[in-house]
This record gives sequence, structure tokens and C-alpha cells, in this order.
Amino acid sequence: AQSVTQPDIHITVSEGASLELRCNYSYGATPYLFWYVQSPGQGLQLLLKYFSGDTLVQGIKGFEAEFKRSQSSFNLRKPSVHWSDAAEYFCAVATYSGGGADGLTFGKGTHLIIQP
Amino acid sequence: ETGVTQTPRHLVMGMTNKKSLKCEQHLGHNAMYWYKQSAKKPLELMFVYNFKEQTENNSVPSRFSPECPNSSHLFLHLHTLQPEDSALYLCASSQLTSGSYNEQFFGPGTRLTVL
Repeated sequence: AQSVTQPDIHITVSEGASLELRCNYSYGATPYLFWYVQSPGQGLQLLLKYFSGDTLVQGIKGFEAEFKRSQSSFNLRKPSVHWSDAAEYFCAVATYSGGGADGLTFGKGTHLIIQP
Repeated sequence: ETGVTQTPRHLVMGMTNKKSLKCEQHLGHNAMYWYKQSAKKPLELMFVYNFKEQTENNSVPSRFSPECPNSSHLFLHLHTLQPEDSALYLCASSQLTSGSYNEQFFGPGTRLTVL
């Protein structure tokens, strides 16, 4: 079965500084990978996804992520964070069974705090 | 309404009550999902509906009963819940396409408190 590890429960970054959130997955084949963001009291919003092709993917709000098969990682980055980026970030993996609906397996999340 | 909507947004119920959570997707999708988000656990998949048929029940206790009357609506019927069932319940939808995977879109969730 697949699993996702987000090793950092909390991360504090100064506004304007760069950000990297770590995600490692465990899955036998090429996974479908996602980063979602959740603001307090809200549902999950998709930031970006990796299905295949270019291993560096661009997302919304200036985020990007890089898929590294050799490290089983899919880390999220942003060159300069804004106070509005403070939220909970979730990495997720999906399997694809060829036409069926497959649920997502999530990591425990990383809580991002922005210091002024 | 756009996207995925969920009602109610907040629900407080006693252990002997029966209540239902409602989810509606306005995206024309054909698959819907229920997830549970507890304070101390990762988001957990509960149920999957694929073209209105339940295709996955992730070992969920029978006190949770899903219903999908059509591809736009999904319900979660609750009865005889326990305090540990207090959580944020998230609904999601996606479009199934043969040969490819499409991302899931989430609703804002229902915050459930069981007293």
C-alpha cells in the first residue's frame, strides 16, 4: 500500500524568505502526486500535481514542486513567501487502477507559520 | 453555486442522534468521495463512489452510511456516533476518464462534534 511522509509538522519562515516543504512517498509504480493547501476552516485547494513528463511542475500562487524518483520525493518550494501563505500543506499520492475512482493517501500535513 | 458544496458547515449531535451530511458537486463529475480529517490523524479516505456505485469502503464502521442517489449528490448518514467520530468531514469529486487520472476537488467540509 502507498504511504506519504511529511517529516516537518511545523515550519516557521520569515516573510519574503524562500520555502521548501518536504514530502516522501512509498509506492511501487510511478505515482500521481499532489500538493494541497488548507486555510483555517476551509477545504483543500489543489496547488499543483505531477502525473508524468517534466519533473518540475508549476502550480498556483507561485509554488513549484520537483519529482525525484531516486529519492521518492516531491518537495514543494516557493522562492518568496507572503503572509497569506500561512496555512496547512498536504502532500498526497494516488494510484490509478485503469478507470476506477481511486482515493488519495495523504501525509499528516505541515503547518506553515509566517513571521513578519 | 460553484465547485463542491457541503451542508451543514457545523453540526453538533448527541450519541443517540441521527443526522445526515450533504455534499453537492456542480462540476459535472462522475466520482465522489468522503474523507475524515481528525485532529491527530492524516486525512483518511472513507468511501468512494464511481458512477453512483460504491467502489470502496475503507473499513468504516457501520454507524456511517453513505448514499449516492445521483452523480451530483452524496450523503453521509450518521447514527449512534461516538465522541471520537468528532472531526472535519470532507467531500470531494473528480471526473473519471478512461486512460487518465484527474485530480479531486474538495468541498469546505462539515465540522462534526459528537457530545
